[in-house]
Amino acid sequence: QKEVEQNSGPLSVPEGAIASLNCTYSDRVSQSFFWYRQYSGKSPELIMSIYSNGDKEDGRFTAQLNKASQYVSLLIRDSQPSDSATYLCAVKGLRNTGFQKLVFGTGTRLLVSP
Amino acid sequence: GAVVSQHPSWVICKSGTSVKIECRSLDFQATTMFWYRQFPKQSLMLMATSNEGSKATYEQGVEKDKFLINHASLTLSTLTVTSAHPEDSSFYICSAIVRTSDTDTQYFGPGTRLTVL
Repeated sequence: QKEVEQNSGPLSVPEGAIASLNCTYSDRVSQSFFWYRQYSGKSPELIMSIYSNGDKEDGRFTAQLNKASQYVSLLIRDSQPSDSATYLCAVKGLRNTGFQKLVFGTGTRLLVSP
Repeated sequence: GAVVSQHPSWVICKSGTSVKIECRSLDFQATTMFWYRQFPKQSLMLMATSNEGSKATYEQGVEKDKFLINHASLTLSTLTVTSAHPEDSSFYICSAIVRTSDTDTQYFGPGTRLTVL
């Protein structure tokens, strides 16, 4: 089982729709969760961090964390073509990696069509 | 968010030469920086953890003698790819940790694209 799992996609949504990106992780002791966006040929850009169960909203983005189910998601409301990118889920605090390191999923490619 | 810069943004070199990549935290001090490598259409791969004033910690399978890391100050870490070969061509990205009282957040530099001929 991979430590951080994401569906590679592509996830295709029409402009204006809600895009839902999901991520599961294997280690229950994980404490910090991050979503990064990576455009093709560019480095990752931090979108959201979440540490507590529940929802955290920032503009059009909402991160959701459920530690009991070991599940974290990112919702993008009113999706725009400029949101088309690969979204990386990252988890910190995995027991076998050292608590400083981030463990990344392979990313979900999102395509927003006009 | 915090700003991390890298220099150069791209470099082309001949096989057998060495290339140095700089990573700087511009508006904060970073005791810990990370170096990643990413091949086309693949995920980020952590190469090493760079700690200011001490030796870097390399991930399994990464040759420490080939990828030399120096973190001599709180705002600068360097990665030197020694005796580069075409298979070292990749996108190299650094990141730095911003610490607050209760969280650590990693911010990435813009990356350096290395092409070895």
